[in-house]
Amino acid sequence: RKEVEQDPGPFNVPEGATVAFNCTYSNSASQSFFWYRQDCRKEPKLLMSVYSSGNEDGRFTAQLNRASQYISLLIRDSKLSDSATYLCVVTPNTGTASKLTFGTGTRLQVTL
Amino acid sequence: DARVTQTPRDKVTEMGQEVTMRCQPILGHNTVFWYRQTMMQGLELLAYFRNRAPLDDSGMPKDRFSAEMPDATLATLKIQPSEPRDSAVYFCASGFPSREQFFGPGTRLTVL
Repeated sequence: RKEVEQDPGPFNVPEGATVAFNCTYSNSASQSFFWYRQDCRKEPKLLMSVYSSGNEDGRFTAQLNRASQYISLLIRDSKLSDSATYLCVVTPNTGTASKLTFGTGTRLQVTL
Repeated sequence: DARVTQTPRDKVTEMGQEVTMRCQPILGHNTVFWYRQTMMQGLELLAYFRNRAPLDDSGMPKDRFSAEMPDATLATLKIQPSEPRDSAVYFCASGFPSREQFFGPGTRLTVL
């Protein structure tokens, strides 16, 4: 089983729709969680961190479910500019030697 | 605006040639990562450094790949000899443990 698993998509949604992605992780000791966004032929960039209590940033909401070992990303009122690949990222611990493990990404295509 | 820089941006070479990729991390960041991204495998961690010391290079084929950090402003990734299966985008990223990583624009390597 992969450490981080995501549905590759693509998710094709019309502008204005709400779309949600889930990501599961295998290491129950994972401590830090992030969503990154990667545009075509560009580098990944941090979209948002995921906190235990859940967090919201504008149209984006991230949630963590430790019991079921998954994190989610909800995008409301989708824009054409939201079209990208969304990478789920976890890190096993907060020690000095920790590293990020990336999922393979979920591709979102927002259409008119 | 501080950024991670990478050179070259694109590299086309023939099988058997040596390839050297360079990265300048963001000043002050103490952790530097090398990733490889392909369509099939997604983003794979090759190696990372903390305060210039190599911490983990288990993701790297040892017989042909080497990563070094000769000083705080330069990280290098070498492939010798290169093979067609090494064709990928190689990203460098810098940051702090378990926190956001800032990625460079990547080096797109094609080995013929």
